[in-house]
Amino acid sequence: SAVISQKPSRDICQRGTSLTIQCQVDSQVTMMFWYRQQPGQSLTLIATANQGSEATYESGFVIDKFPISRPNLTFSTLTVSNMSPEDSSIYLCSTASGGQGETQYFGPGTRLLVL
Amino acid sequence: GNSVTQMEGPVTLSEEAFLTINCTYTATGYPSLFWYVQYPGEGLQLLLKATKADDKGSNKGFEATYRKETTSFHLEKGSVQVSDSAVYFCALRDFGNEKLTFGTGTRLTIIP
Repeated sequence: SAVISQKPSRDICQRGTSLTIQCQVDSQVTMMFWYRQQPGQSLTLIATANQGSEATYESGFVIDKFPISRPNLTFSTLTVSNMSPEDSSIYLCSTASGGQGETQYFGPGTRLLVL
Repeated sequence: GNSVTQMEGPVTLSEEAFLTINCTYTATGYPSLFWYVQYPGEGLQLLLKATKADDKGSNKGFEATYRKETTSFHLEKGSVQVSDSAVYFCALRDFGNEKLTFGTGTRLTIIP
């Protein structure tokens, strides 16, 4: 199984600033995903990040607000830009190596509070 | 598009009670189905999965059977423990697509 770590584990930020969240996997993976879990709600996919290509964003999410990097097969970053209180959420990264039924593993999440 | 509908919470049960959390899905293809669990203060963990019709996933005393005819994947456990208190998410992944679609989650509280 893949072991995923995220940094920071939590942060409190001021409105208008940006935060970059790092996701590190202990093995090479094809795909990485970034999810948002707003308070009391389910997970919503923000974007899919493949190494060597631009991230693919889901409806309602744009690159200017959530730029993503994927420099290699074990690492990705998500930046939450120009933050507002509505961005207060848990942000999780996830990995998959392809194949039907392949298990997706999740990082522990980054708890973000925007004041 | 794909969607997952699961039982609204919260659910509160006494220890050793029987648990059912309902989950139904809509998918255009032949999805794999998953139950994830999120314990208090922790990340999301895979609880069990099933990849084709009539498959039964099981783990830690929990079971769920992939029912194509009723498009359901209900989670069951015969005797719950206090340590099962968590939020449970039903999810699907369509064939050929790595993206997971999650239900809204069901918060389960077990009281001694």
